[in-house]
Amino acid sequence: KAGVTQTPRYLIKTRGQQVTLSCSPISGHRSVSWYQQTPGQGLQFLFEYFSETQRNKGNFPGRFSGRQFSNSRSEMNVSTLELGDSALYLCASSFRPHYEQYFGPGTRLTVT
Amino acid sequence: TQLLEQSPQFLSIQEGENLTVYCNSSSVFSSLQWYRQEPGEGPVLLVTVVTGGEVKKLKRLTFQFGDARKDSSLHITAAQPGDTGLYLCAGAGVEQETSGSRLTFGEGTQLTVNP
Repeated sequence: KAGVTQTPRYLIKTRGQQVTLSCSPISGHRSVSWYQQTPGQGLQFLFEYFSETQRNKGNFPGRFSGRQFSNSRSEMNVSTLELGDSALYLCASSFRPHYEQYFGPGTRLTVT
Repeated sequence: TQLLEQSPQFLSIQEGENLTVYCNSSSVFSSLQWYRQEPGEGPVLLVTVVTGGEVKKLKRLTFQFGDARKDSSLHITAAQPGDTGLYLCAGAGVEQETSGSRLTFGEGTQLTVNP
């Protein structure tokens, strides 16, 4: 069974731009969560989606948003990029909420 | 806010040595997961512990969940260079309706095993 896939793997953007990251969960998994990983803050929860609905949201500004499609694929969007948004963005899928989470390889975003 | 304190932050040992990584919190977790992460990759799930006092073994790795479900430990016996990586503990909240699938992560332990 294929694992969680994330695209793109690497991205360089300029401050003020916006970016969209994509995540395809493991086949049969319907819950997708997003995390931001930085050297200073570690892994921080962004949001969780299940059945196309956002179930939970972390303490991030409104510039961070996401959505989930009917096939369980998910996207997250960051608008008006700031230098501090440079991070590894990780997507995790699980069969449904509260089940074990399996992570994708991440998207490395660099904001210059 | 639930916090997980992980120690030590860095660990450099020789091949064949034993080591223990600790994960502590003042909060109760419904379950605790241990991950290992390689540079440039996502965390890979090693184990999930659910019951207080539970002990799970995965070859040379032994995981324990505290009786009160507030702490956990990872013990590696006879470490090998292939064990090198970032080890992360992550707790799932007890109040599932509010915490959902949100995982609270420790800061991580960077383990280096020298040949």
